Amino acid sequence: NAGVTQTPKFRVLKTGQSMTLLCAQDMNHEYMYWYRQDPGMGLRLIHYSVGEGTTAKGEVPDGYNVSRLKKQNFLLGLESAAPSQTSVYFCASSYWSTEAFFGQGTRLTVV
Amino acid sequence: AQTVTQSQPEMSVQEAETVTLSCTYDTSESDYYLFWYKQPPSRQMILVIRQEAYKQQNATENRFSVNFQKAAKSFSLKISDSQLGDAAMYFCAYWGGSQGNLIFGKGTKLSVKP
Repeated sequence: NAGVTQTPKFRVLKTGQSMTLLCAQDMNHEYMYWYRQDPGMGLRLIHYSVGEGTTAKGEVPDGYNVSRLKKQNFLLGLESAAPSQTSVYFCASSYWSTEAFFGQGTRLTVV
Repeated sequence: AQTVTQSQPEMSVQEAETVTLSCTYDTSESDYYLFWYKQPPSRQMILVIRQEAYKQQNATENRFSVNFQKAAKSFSLKISDSQLGDAAMYFCAYWGGSQGNLIFGKGTKLSVKP
């Protein structure tokens, strides 16, 4: 049982480059979330989705876009990466209000 | 907007002793759920305990229990008989029923001394 899988695990970008992070879950969960984790800041919600075809802004959405074309996938895009977006990114999914399952994280460095 | 506040950046406890981690939240919703997650150095997020806001009874899971004070919007975690493996970051989290967002506090780093 794979659970939540994030791709890639590590990435180094140059300022201004774009990239897409992929999150895939095989638990048929309706809810999916993208977070960034920075030292001393906890996990901050970037965007989330309550079902296929839906997205909503979280606490820190600026500079990011998301799409949920298929129920099992939730994509996070950076159109023009900035050093301030250097972080560890986590994806999670849940069935309504029950336990959220997390991916292993993506370490992104923007130079 | 909902907020989750953890006022203790770091805590320390002696092995076999009891420690309480604090969490407060702010919301205008009536339908919500609260969680404590543990994150060891491996970065894996592990659910410790879950509390439904509509339930008066405090949730318990073995050595872990909560003190849920709905009127005060307080949700503290008590760890009894602390073990070395309990050392980790602990995050308090809120899930809102009307929006479906899951938000976290900044975390408390727990150290366990042998």
